[in-house]
Amino acid sequence: GAGVSQSPSNKVTEKGKDVELRCDPISGHTALYWYRQSLGQGLEFLIYFQGNSAPDKSGLPSDRFSAERTGGSVSTLTIQRTQQEDSAVYLCASGTSPSYEQYFGPGTRLTVT
Amino acid sequence: QKEVEQNSGPLSVPEGAIASLNCTYSDRGSQSFFWYRQYSGKSPELIMSIYSNGDKEDGRFTAQLNKASQYVSLLIRDSQPSDSATYLCAVFSGGYNKLIFGAGTRLAVHP
Repeated sequence: GAGVSQSPSNKVTEKGKDVELRCDPISGHTALYWYRQSLGQGLEFLIYFQGNSAPDKSGLPSDRFSAERTGGSVSTLTIQRTQQEDSAVYLCASGTSPSYEQYFGPGTRLTVT
Repeated sequence: QKEVEQNSGPLSVPEGAIASLNCTYSDRGSQSFFWYRQYSGKSPELIMSIYSNGDKEDGRFTAQLNKASQYVSLLIRDSQPSDSATYLCAVFSGGYNKLIFGAGTRLAVHP
């Protein structure tokens, strides 16, 4: 079956612009995680959803970051007024439950110039 | 103390040897444990999950869990150069109620 998909795969934006990253989880998966990975670094937790609600937003780096999930499916991560330090690969993962196996999408590589 | 700790490596093993990757975690309430493999420039790929104490084998991979010692390991038998990657340990923490990743161990299998 289809895996987790993310779009765009690459995004280059100018400092100060807003960007929207999209994640399509595996059908039927209620848990959805967002992570960020800078070059050569580990995974940085951003937020996770159980259905449409986000029990834990503690990883969002600043109030420029927001995320939503509608219909228990697609999620969007929005970064407002992008900064160069936002440059990273943004990864999405989904699973049948937050405590069970999570499957990653291919990621979106964001470059802020 | 980090919630999930791994030796960053690199762990270098010869082809055909057993690679042993280790992970410790701090939250005794942790419920589920995973190993992911990440090739350079790619996203993490789930290779093993383990939920109860003991060993779980899948092909060349064996995951071992010891909740009393708060320790989880991954053994890779007959290591191949294609196993060269970063291996991420992930723990679902009951205390934090979310999946937490270690920083990863880089494995290099040389011919």
